[in-house]
Amino acid sequence: DTAVSQTPKYLVTQMGNDKSIKCEQNLGHDTMYWYKQDSKKFLKIMFSYNNKELIINETVPNRFSPKSPDKAHLNLHINSLELGDSAVYFCASSNLPGPGNYGYTFGSGTRLTVV
Amino acid sequence: GENVEQHPSTLSVQEGDSAVIKCTYSDSASNYFPWYKQELGKGPQLIIDIRSNVGEKKDQRIAVTLNKTAKHFSLHITETQPEDSAVYFCAASGDFGTGTSLTVIP
Repeated sequence: DTAVSQTPKYLVTQMGNDKSIKCEQNLGHDTMYWYKQDSKKFLKIMFSYNNKELIINETVPNRFSPKSPDKAHLNLHINSLELGDSAVYFCASSNLPGPGNYGYTFGSGTRLTVV
Repeated sequence: GENVEQHPSTLSVQEGDSAVIKCTYSDSASNYFPWYKQELGKGPQLIIDIRSNVGEKKDQRIAVTLNKTAKHFSLHITETQPEDSAVYFCAASGDFGTGTSLTVIP
């Protein structure tokens, strides 16, 4: 199936831990994103990569570090997790760069709970 | 997002009635306006989009209208069905609206 796949689907961890979320797309898209969805359902962009190059880095704590080994993968590593990091994190991809020019295909989300 | 306002935040309609969700945007350079549907436990899914050179686009029971002068665009769902119940997001310039939780009452 062509899709954006992210793992894990659920992640429960203690404050202070370091965790990673993986994302892969087999759509042949050039651009990948990480979005954070809070408890009120607001979707906020965190990062955008085009062909392994960072093109958007919103005001996100530097505890969050994206890594793109190739254009089909964009992983998110989070250091020293805090309670406020609890949210659903969505990976997405689109054809060609520039959010706002093409539709996104989203993954099914990773629900992160920090206790 | 700061660029996009979406109303209403919640909407309940009887099955078979129409539903309309409206968004306004501030960036006059915006030229692509997608709508996404997010079902419970899933990621948002693109359902329809419109570009600035078009005023209206229709796909079966859903349609989107765009007024570029007034900087607003709307999603119209006709003959609503219970499976239309979801959260709907508009977007412009990569910013998402705050979402509308639609409930279709059987």
